[in-house]
Amino acid sequence: DIQMTQSPSSVSASVGDRVTITCRASQGIEKYLGWYQQKPGKVPKVLIYDTSTLQSGVPSRFSGSGSGTDFTLTITSLQPEDSATYFCQHAHGFRYAFGQGTKLEIK
Amino acid sequence: QAQLVQSGAEVKEPGASVKVSCKASGYTFTNYYIHWVRQAPGQGLEWMGWINPKSGDTAYARIFQGRVTMTRDTSITTGYMELTNLRSDDSAVYYCVTGYGYYTGWPFDYWGQGTLVSVSS
Repeated sequence: DIQMTQSPSSVSASVGDRVTITCRASQGIEKYLGWYQQKPGKVPKVLIYDTSTLQSGVPSRFSGSGSGTDFTLTITSLQPEDSATYFCQHAHGFRYAFGQGTKLEIK
Repeated sequence: QAQLVQSGAEVKEPGASVKVSCKASGYTFTNYYIHWVRQAPGQGLEWMGWINPKSGDTAYARIFQGRVTMTRDTSITTGYMELTNLRSDDSAVYYCVTGYGYYTGWPFDYWGQGTLVSVSS
């Protein structure tokens, strides 16, 4: 099975900052990479899928990029409500593994 | 808008089995795969596998092969996930999920409310 490795495992940033989270697949996954946001006690929410397609209703300060094995989630102009854990997930070959998560703290 | 309603919390002893149900509504049940994802307390998300409700075909993550079985009953638009030979590290919240992006139910837009499975002697 394809393994997904996220980094960093945690990050702390201030309101207005730009934050980047990376996700590396153990083998090529084409464009089939998604990002989720999970807040405590809630189910995950889709932010981005197909590497860079913003899910409906998601603020434009979230963006995704990458190809092959290396992918990035970027959050610009960080807001207090962005405090959450972020997970990447691949959807290649009818398999759907998640990364281990990145906890984002707002200073 | 899809709604997924799961069965209630379970407490099991090590070595036992658990079967969780997931009642789907608000969309055509056979159009999108149903996946199962679990999350241990304070831990990340772990994809377990999927079932194609139309054909009954399944695929499981390698670490669950031999211990998990996913089934469905199209007459009542319900999916099931059974996990056998439970261990303490199987204690987690189990979710059924689906989505409309692809026929494979990805990305995972719709989540059940979760079923807490506790394994303890």
